[in-house]
Amino acid sequence: AQSVSQHNHHVILSEAASLELGCNYSYGGTVNLFWYVQYPGQHLQLLLKYFSGDPLVKGIKGFEAEFIKSKFSFNLRKPSVQWSDTAEYFCAVNARGFKTIFGAGTRLFVKA
Amino acid sequence: GAGVSQTPSNKVTEKGKYVELRCDPISGHTALYWYRQSLGQGPEFLIYFQGTGAADDSGLPNDRFFAVRPEGSVSTLKIQRTERGDSAVYLCASSLTRTGGYEQYFGPGTRLTVT
Repeated sequence: AQSVSQHNHHVILSEAASLELGCNYSYGGTVNLFWYVQYPGQHLQLLLKYFSGDPLVKGIKGFEAEFIKSKFSFNLRKPSVQWSDTAEYFCAVNARGFKTIFGAGTRLFVKA
Repeated sequence: GAGVSQTPSNKVTEKGKYVELRCDPISGHTALYWYRQSLGQGPEFLIYFQGTGAADDSGLPNDRFFAVRPEGSVSTLKIQRTERGDSAVYLCASSLTRTGGYEQYFGPGTRLTVT
């Protein structure tokens, strides 16, 4: 069965610090990978996605993620966070079907 | 255009009662998904519709849960004989399955509280 593991449940950073959120999945076949974000009081929205091609994908608001197939990882990065990045971040995997598996989420708090 | 909408936004019910949760997907989206999100967890897949039919209902926890999408648009998630453990946020999402891959657009959710 597929599973998604997010390494950190809570992260606290100061503004301008660099961010890396870990995500590992378990599935041996071809996958689609996603990062979703939920800002306070808002619903889940797509941050970025990987289907194929360049393993380094860029999303909205300066976020990027790198797919490393050999490590079954899809870590999210941002060079310099802002207070407005405070949110909960979810990694998700879809094994080219329609059942998407989400990680437990990482709550990021950015201190102004 | 309008996003995915869900009604009600909050529902409080007594243990043993029946509830219906409604989802209006984005117009033209053929795929519709239901998830359940408990506190401190990510969304948990329940069921997926492609058009009017349930393509995958493997996530429904038991036979108290049922969902329909009779005309391929609006969907209703039905829970019979509710239990306190059913308390969660129920999320609906829709997607264009052939264009844009599997990107899902989420609604605001319905917070169900069973007392």
